[in-house]
Amino acid sequence: DAGVIQSPRHEVTEMGQEVTLRCKPISGHNSLFWYRQTMMRGLELLIYFNNNVPIDDSGMPEDRFSAKMPNASFSTLKIQPSEPRDSAVYFCASSPPGANVLTFGAGSRLTVL
Amino acid sequence: GENVEQHPSTLSVQEGDSAVIKCTYSDSASNYFPWYKQELGKRPQLIIDIRSNVGEKKDQRIAVTLNKTAKHFSLHITETQPEDSAVYFCAATETSYDKVIFGPGTSLSVIP
Repeated sequence: DAGVIQSPRHEVTEMGQEVTLRCKPISGHNSLFWYRQTMMRGLELLIYFNNNVPIDDSGMPEDRFSAKMPNASFSTLKIQPSEPRDSAVYFCASSPPGANVLTFGAGSRLTVL
Repeated sequence: GENVEQHPSTLSVQEGDSAVIKCTYSDSASNYFPWYKQELGKRPQLIIDIRSNVGEKKDQRIAVTLNKTAKHFSLHITETQPEDSAVYFCAATETSYDKVIFGPGTSLSVIP
């Protein structure tokens, strides 16, 4: 398996623009997580899905952030409009049924100017 | 909800010495405690984990201990090597849910 695939790896955008991050989990994994990593706040859980259903989005910072998982092999995290404070590395991770063992993607480094 | 604290935030040891990182958690329902290692510029990767029915687990030079009564767990690395230099994250979760909460991380430097 190719592991968890994230795109883009790097994104530089200007304040106010829409940003869409994408994730393909490992085949057979039924839970998918979005984390944000910054020096100040560490690894923050933004939202997670189980069997494509959002279970807990309490970590989503505000209404500018939204996430979807239309099927078992694809998820998106969207920021609209983006702000400089959204600059961070965004990780997607997935885990298999019955186990909370996370496999992380390589991350998407977002810079908002 | 679960809250995980981790100490120290930075740790510097001489090569060959031992390193210990300690974590506490708040939710007594948590029953699975993984540790992840993140090298500079890389993704976090699982290195060892422990479940609540076990007090200690060892894998070569790394070991984890768990004290459920006190709600704390620790990572022990013996005979440290320069390649152990990384940020280490502890985490806690209750396995009937999937929410994995991470501690703030410990930056370990092993000095040759």
